[in-house]
Amino acid sequence: NAGVMQNPRHLVRRRGQEARLRCSPMKGHSHVYWYRQLPEEGLKFMVYLQKENIIDESGMPKERFSAEFPKEGPSILRIQQVVRGDSAAYFCASSPAMIQYGAGYTFGSGTRLTVV
Amino acid sequence: KNEVEQSPQNLTAQEGEFITINCSYSVGISALHWLQQHPGGGIVSLFMLSSGKKKHGRLIATINIQEKHSSLHITASHPRDSAVYICAVSPSNYQLIWGAGTKLIIKP
Repeated sequence: NAGVMQNPRHLVRRRGQEARLRCSPMKGHSHVYWYRQLPEEGLKFMVYLQKENIIDESGMPKERFSAEFPKEGPSILRIQQVVRGDSAAYFCASSPAMIQYGAGYTFGSGTRLTVV
Repeated sequence: KNEVEQSPQNLTAQEGEFITINCSYSVGISALHWLQQHPGGGIVSLFMLSSGKKKHGRLIATINIQEKHSSLHITASHPRDSAVYICAVSPSNYQLIWGAGTKLIIKP
């Protein structure tokens, strides 16, 4: 019964390249959340997705960042034309239902993005 | 003032000591979460609370909704408990507001 799987664990990109981060939620979970943790800071909400729908992307930077959660396959967080300031740990969490109904989060181990 | 305040920021204790980490919040919430993050590692969800008290092994979490306060206790602490412990609250549904974390070091 695998938990939330994120890959890659570590990703190094040069400035201007694209970064693709993947998140496979726990079996039976249809809600996915992405968080970013900048060095020495707490986690910040980025986006909340259900299958084929973006429910809330209020935490996403307006440019270069996008997220999807297709009907089949993992959720993808995509960062185009990466800059040094994008270096961070990106965490994905999943839940079986909306948190307000008492469903707990399960977190992935994160993807550490380093932009050189 | 941050909406979620944790104390202490750093805590060093000897193996076997009873540990308490506190969390105060200033917003209305539907739930409060305690999470654990090891250096270079992922995040583990320890507890989700909306009232009362929960226990899991040597970990105990309590919440007082009226006082907007929660505590995480570790009994018989062990070096492997060394980690950052994070309090986060759900003000409505899915968006978590995170505390800054408490860095705990347990010395053998």
